Amino acid sequence: GAGVSQSPSNKVTEKGKDVELRCDPISGHTALYWYRQSLGQGLEFLIYFQGNSAPDKSGLPSDRFSAERTGGSVSTLTIQRTQQEDSAVYLCASSLGSGYLPYEQYFGPGTRLTVT
Amino acid sequence: AQSVTQPDIHITVSEGASLELRCNYSYGATPYLFWYVQSPGQGLQLLLKYFSGDTLVQGIKGFEAEFKRSQSSFNLRKPSVHWSDAAEYFCAVGANAGNMLTFGGGTRLMVKP
Repeated sequence: GAGVSQSPSNKVTEKGKDVELRCDPISGHTALYWYRQSLGQGLEFLIYFQGNSAPDKSGLPSDRFSAERTGGSVSTLTIQRTQQEDSAVYLCASSLGSGYLPYEQYFGPGTRLTVT
Repeated sequence: AQSVTQPDIHITVSEGASLELRCNYSYGATPYLFWYVQSPGQGLQLLLKYFSGDTLVQGIKGFEAEFKRSQSSFNLRKPSVHWSDAAEYFCAVGANAGNMLTFGGGTRLMVKP
């Protein structure tokens, strides 16, 4: 079956512009995660959605970052007024859910964001 | 808060040689531990995981890892490395019901012919 897909694969934007990154999780996966991979910070958690529950936004670095998940499926990560330090690879992952023991997270190929 | 340390940023081994990648974690309770591999331009692929039980876990591609609670370690091993194993390897700990992963800094493996 299809894995996690992300679009675009690459995005170059000018400082100060807004960008939207899209994630299509594996069908049937109720949990969705966004991570960021950058040279300076490594791989870091951003936000987590589980079903219809309120998202865990504890990893978002600033209020310029937001994310939504429509219909429990597709998710969009929005970065407003982009800064050069936002340049990174943004990875999306999905899993069957969460419970007593964690389920495996399946990662997409990522979106490479470059802010000029 | 949990943390993961991978002391080796780069490792080079000869093809056919054995491999051990180190991982140390800090977490107050029983950790859920993972090893992922990332090939150039690719996403992360799960190699293996430890939740409980047998402390030696087997994964894909001939990899194994051993959980040692007394040393707070979860080192990854492979008896004989192949050129296709060249990649970046990440150790991670998952916590809380949501299982958000905290990753180590990664170890880049190069394989000499």
